[in-house]
Amino acid sequence: EAGVTQFPSHSVIEKGQTVTLRCDPISGHDNLYWYRRVMGKEIKFLLHFVKESKQDESGMPNNRFLAERTGGTYSTLKVQPAELEDSGVYFCASSQGTVRRNTIYFGEGSWLTVV
Amino acid sequence: EDQVTQSPEALRLQEGESSSLNCSYTVSGLRGLFWYRQDPGKGPEFLFTLYSAGEEKEKERLKATLTKKESFLHITAPKPEDSATYLCAVQPLSGGYQKVTFGIGTKLQVIP
Repeated sequence: EAGVTQFPSHSVIEKGQTVTLRCDPISGHDNLYWYRRVMGKEIKFLLHFVKESKQDESGMPNNRFLAERTGGTYSTLKVQPAELEDSGVYFCASSQGTVRRNTIYFGEGSWLTVV
Repeated sequence: EDQVTQSPEALRLQEGESSSLNCSYTVSGLRGLFWYRQDPGKGPEFLFTLYSAGEEKEKERLKATLTKKESFLHITAPKPEDSATYLCAVQPLSGGYQKVTFGIGTKLQVIP
């Protein structure tokens, strides 16, 4: 079974540019999450989709971040325009979301460096 | 606010030297506590989910235990390939499945 896949794995962009990160969750997982880890800090929640609907985007830093999940399948996270403090690792994760099958599985992350 | 504190921040062991990693948590009702392993440049790899105090789970040289305030990850006779950062995370009963709080992790180095 394929795991959570993310693209690109690494990205270096200049301040002010736009970057779009993509995530393909595990097949059958309705719940899709975006998390971020900045240098030296713990992993922090950004937002949560159930199928195509945003359930919670309370962790999104500001309106420069836009997440979408077309048709309840893959998701994209766009940062526009990127700032230096956006550098970090962006993890996508998914889960089935039932009472006893709520384990969250992570992708390998998209490492973003803004220069 | 939910909190997770992991200790120690870093741990260096000789191969075969057993030890334990600690995860102390504060949460208003626990839905689940997760342990993950993270290798450099990789995403967190799921190890265990614990749901209630007294529960234990084992996988190879690892055993996770849970009390009402903390969880331990016991490593028995570790090998160099066990070197990684081990992350603990809690998921509260209130709120949705996304309300997961992570600790900063314990970086384990096992020396041959």
